[in-house]
Amino acid sequence: DAGVIQSPRHEVTEMGQEVTLRCKPISGHNSLFWYRQTMMRGLELLIYFNNNVPIDDSGMPEDRFSAKMPNASFSTLKIQPSEPRDSAVYFCASSQRQGRDEQFFGPGTRLTVL
Amino acid sequence: GENVEQHPSTLSVQEGDSAVIKCTYSDSASNYFPWYKQELGKRPQLIIDIRSNVGEKKDQRIAVTLNKTAKHFSLHITETQPEDSAVYFCAASTSNAGNMLTFGGGTRLMVKP
Repeated sequence: DAGVIQSPRHEVTEMGQEVTLRCKPISGHNSLFWYRQTMMRGLELLIYFNNNVPIDDSGMPEDRFSAKMPNASFSTLKIQPSEPRDSAVYFCASSQRQGRDEQFFGPGTRLTVL
Repeated sequence: GENVEQHPSTLSVQEGDSAVIKCTYSDSASNYFPWYKQELGKRPQLIIDIRSNVGEKKDQRIAVTLNKTAKHFSLHITETQPEDSAVYFCAASTSNAGNMLTFGGGTRLMVKP
C-alpha cells in the first residue's frame, strides 16, 4: 500500500486565492482526519470523517475553511479566500474504525499564503 | 472534551543517557494512548502505543507507562542516540469518539553526541 497520499506537497498562493488540498486515505480505512500544524499552535485537528460523513468539524477555524469526502478514497480541504495566517503544514491521516486506533499520516502539504 | 498536557516542551540529553517525556490527560474515559515521533520536515509516525488495560509496554529502547488513577502516561527512551532527535507527541482518545486523537503540545528532544 502506498500509504496516505496528499497533493500538492507544496503550495504557494496569494492572499485571496482559493486553495484546495487533496487526500487519498489508505484503502480500507474508514476514518479520515485533517490536521493543521504550526509552530505557534502545534498539531490541531480541523475535521474528521467516519465512513465519508463529517463527524466533528469544531476545529475548522472559520467559514473560509470547508472539507468534503465524496467517496471512501478521496477528500478535499478548501480555503476560500486564503489569508497569510493560513500558512501552515496540513496533514491528512486515516485509520481503521473497527479494532485499531492507529492513525497513519500523509506527507503533508506545506501551504504558504503571501 | 479531552485535554492533553505534555512536558517538557524541550529536552536536551547526552548520547547514551535516558529521556523521559510526561503527559497528563483529563478524560477518564480515554483508553488509547499513542506516541508519535516527527522528524524535521517529515510526517508524524507512530512509535509505540498503550491501551488502558495495560500498565507498561516496551519495544527495544522505548517504553511507555500508564497510570490510569493519576491520568498520566510517560515515554521512556534509554540509551539515546542522535537519530532519536525529533519532536515527540503524546495523544489520547476514547473508543467511542471515532478514533479522534487529542495531541499534546509536543516535546523537542535533542540528543547531543
